[in-house]
Amino acid sequence: AQSVAQPEDQVNVAEGNPLTVKCTYSVSGNPYLFWYVQYPNRGLQFLLKYITGDNLVKGSYGFEAEFNKSQTSFHLKKPSALVSDSALYFCAVRASNYGGSQGNLIFGKGTKLSVKP
Amino acid sequence: DVKVTQSSRYLVKRTGEKVFLECVQDMDHENMFWYRQDPGLGLRLIYFSYDVKMKEKGDIPEGYSVSREKKERFSLILESASTNQTSMYLCASSFGFRYSNQPQHFGDGTRLSIL
Repeated sequence: AQSVAQPEDQVNVAEGNPLTVKCTYSVSGNPYLFWYVQYPNRGLQFLLKYITGDNLVKGSYGFEAEFNKSQTSFHLKKPSALVSDSALYFCAVRASNYGGSQGNLIFGKGTKLSVKP
Repeated sequence: DVKVTQSSRYLVKRTGEKVFLECVQDMDHENMFWYRQDPGLGLRLIYFSYDVKMKEKGDIPEGYSVSREKKERFSLILESASTNQTSMYLCASSFGFRYSNQPQHFGDGTRLSIL
């Protein structure tokens, strides 16, 4: 069965410091991995994705994520956090070799990022 | 940019009412999804549709039904609303599963309160 784990409910970072939001996954075959951000009372916004190729993926708003196949992880990172990055972050996975309902995205439970001035 | 529009941002209904949540997308996406989001539980899939008039149950379909009469529109129906259906409801759309490397795009959500 496919699954995603975000082990931290909340991450606290000081503005200007680097941030990491962790994600590990379990999927049969090669994964497609996604990060989304949700600001209060809004829907999810797509940040970045890993499909194949370079393990370091760059996305919107200065975010990047590193795919590590041996550790089955896809951690979200940013070199210098901003107060405006405070939001809820979701990791999602889909198996590349499945279609139909088994091709649906599986979401983690979310990590709340709080960046303090 | 993809636009997924949910008809209401906030909605208050009474127990036992039949409730309709509407979602429209403008990108000719084949797939459309309804999720509910609750604190600590993340996103849970209620129903999805991969074509007009086609629907499949997600993880928590009980108490809900859906309708997709046109490609761009996907409706979620609460047959007889109950207080445990108070939640944030999110609609999403995406290209068909043969384009599974593409993300889903979300609306801004409907915060539904059942009194």
